[in-house]
Amino acid sequence: GDSVTQMEGPVTLSEEAFLTINCTYTATGYPSLFWYVQYPGEGLQLLLKATKADDKGSNKGFEATYRKETTSFHLEKGSVQVSDSAVYFCALSPSGNTGKLIFGQGTTLQVKP
Amino acid sequence: ETGVTQSPTHLIKTRGQQVTLRCSSQSGHNTVSWYQQALGQGPQFIFQYYREEENGRGNFPPRFSGLQFPNYSSELNVNALELDDSALYLCASSLIGQETQYFGPGTRLLVL
Repeated sequence: GDSVTQMEGPVTLSEEAFLTINCTYTATGYPSLFWYVQYPGEGLQLLLKATKADDKGSNKGFEATYRKETTSFHLEKGSVQVSDSAVYFCALSPSGNTGKLIFGQGTTLQVKP
Repeated sequence: ETGVTQSPTHLIKTRGQQVTLRCSSQSGHNTVSWYQQALGQGPQFIFQYYREEENGRGNFPPRFSGLQFPNYSSELNVNALELDDSALYLCASSLIGQETQYFGPGTRLLVL
């Protein structure tokens, strides 16, 4: 079945460092891909999305490009801030819009001043 | 625009009891999905409701059931609670046919 795999965390960075969180997926057809962020004690917030190959999603300085050839959707940010500390989830919506999202296990990011 | 809201925020139950969690969808949305997020894990899809009927279900037993009301709000019911049901339960709303889902803050359930 469809699945999402994220890099293990936690990822610890200094402020203004470059961030990459790896995400790869297994799916039939052409899923849509998402990154959600979860701050401590809160629900999930949509960060960005891409719906077809080579699309780039971007928001708040974060970017991710839908790479079908490598089945990847890595999250990047050029300069992280302490306020970016959170858990990041990669997710896919299977082809045919089944109404569900399939999530990775999450990657915790800690940014130190 | 009102976002997704859930109640209660926290709940403690004992094994074997039943629980009802509630969700109000974002204004204008007509589908509600429920997810279970165990500690340190990603959310797992339980089911989705559209037009007051179940519209897809994940790998959860029948003791997990739901309702959707005419105003698109929803309930998640769990019978015969087990210790492993302890988790954060997330509700998400969307428009049918659109893949982006918007999540509420969750209800944290502890089963003792």
